[in-house]
Amino acid sequence: AAGVIQSPRHLIKEKRETATLKCYPIPRHDTVYWYQQGPGQDPQFLISFYEKMQSDKGSIPDRFSAQQFSDYHSELNMSSLELGDSALYFCASSSSRESSYNEQFFGPGTRLTVL
Amino acid sequence: AQSVAQPEDQVNVAEGNPLTVKCTYSVSGNPYLFWYVQYPNRGLQFLLKYITGDNLVKGSYGFEAEFNKSQTSFHLKKPSALVSDSALYFCAVRDTGENDMRFGAGTRLTVKP
Repeated sequence: AAGVIQSPRHLIKEKRETATLKCYPIPRHDTVYWYQQGPGQDPQFLISFYEKMQSDKGSIPDRFSAQQFSDYHSELNMSSLELGDSALYFCASSSSRESSYNEQFFGPGTRLTVL
Repeated sequence: AQSVAQPEDQVNVAEGNPLTVKCTYSVSGNPYLFWYVQYPNRGLQFLLKYITGDNLVKGSYGFEAEFNKSQTSFHLKKPSALVSDSALYFCAVRDTGENDMRFGAGTRLTVKP
């Protein structure tokens, strides 16, 4: 079965640069979630989108923005990168039509390293 | 708002022995509870979930978890541990009406031969 795809899988950036992470949800999934997992930390919810509209917002810094496009893929844009942004960024998707509990399926993650 | 706690940073068991990884939660509504496993340098893999129904939930790789409403717990169990079960385990909770999940801090399970 198709899974959540994230690209790139690894990304190395310098401080103050920008980065764009992409997430392609499972086909027919309408909701996308972004999580950040720092080294040795648990995943922290950043933001989610349902039907291309922001549905919930967590601990996402103001330097970050995200959107969901008409084909339901999502991009997380990160500007003025800081060393502390080095983390594993997970995308998850779910379908509001398939269940009422919105089980989330996770992608493999993008490992961002800021030097 | 929902929250989840994993009281143990580390759990060590011998291969063949039963294992338990503890999780307690707090929600204002009805909880949706999940266990995920994370192997080194890998993403989160779904193990099992509790939504409603039978309190004992069976999942992947022989794992099971028991939902206990009175104790607000959802401990992960396996009757006989394998060395290959060694990984980081995350409990997660989602409250009804909420979109996001809250993860516990994670418990590192080490199974020794």
